[in-house]
Amino acid sequence: QKEVEQNSGPLSVPEGAIASLNCTYSDRGSQSFFWYRQYSGKSPELIMFIYSNGDKEDGRFTAQLNKASQYVSLLIRDSQPSDSATYLCAVNGEIQGAQKLVFGQGTRLTINP
Amino acid sequence: EAQVTQNPRYLITVTGKKLTVTCSQNMNHEYMSWYRQDPGLGLRQIYYSMNVEVTDKGDVPEGYKVSRKEKRNFPLILESPSPNQTSLYFCASSLIRGAGYTQYFGPGTRLTVL
Repeated sequence: QKEVEQNSGPLSVPEGAIASLNCTYSDRGSQSFFWYRQYSGKSPELIMFIYSNGDKEDGRFTAQLNKASQYVSLLIRDSQPSDSATYLCAVNGEIQGAQKLVFGQGTRLTINP
Repeated sequence: EAQVTQNPRYLITVTGKKLTVTCSQNMNHEYMSWYRQDPGLGLRQIYYSMNVEVTDKGDVPEGYKVSRKEKRNFPLILESPSPNQTSLYFCASSLIRGAGYTQYFGPGTRLTVL
């Protein structure tokens, strides 16, 4: 079983709609959860991080965490064509005193005008 | 400006010719890491460093070396590159504590080994 799993997509959403991206993880000891956005050929850039169960909102983005279900999601409201990118879920935990950030394979999102 | 820089950005080389990709950060971060990204395989960690003179293997360390003599620099060394090391490489850095270990990425180095 992969440590962090995402649906690779592509996920196609009309402009103005809500895009919903999902991620599951296997390590129950994971402490921090991140969403990165990556445009083709560019480096990942952090969108949001979340530690606690529940929702965290930042502008058009909402991260949702459910540790019991080992599930984290990202909602993008009022989707724009510029949101078209690959979204990487990353999960952080400590293994033998060292931090380790594990990435999912990413979900490719396309926003259709 | 807070940033992670990598050089070169693009490199085409031949099998067996030693090369070094440099990485530098100006945020006084203790933690630095190298990743490679390949289609269908996502980001995989090569090596990481918790602080000066402290390095450890990630998930795919074979064929790579690193060093951490100064806090700001973390070069990636390929002693004898092979075609299967053709990839997009990213350096990243973060604090050890606080801010959720948020990692900041360099712009990437696209390496082709012929």
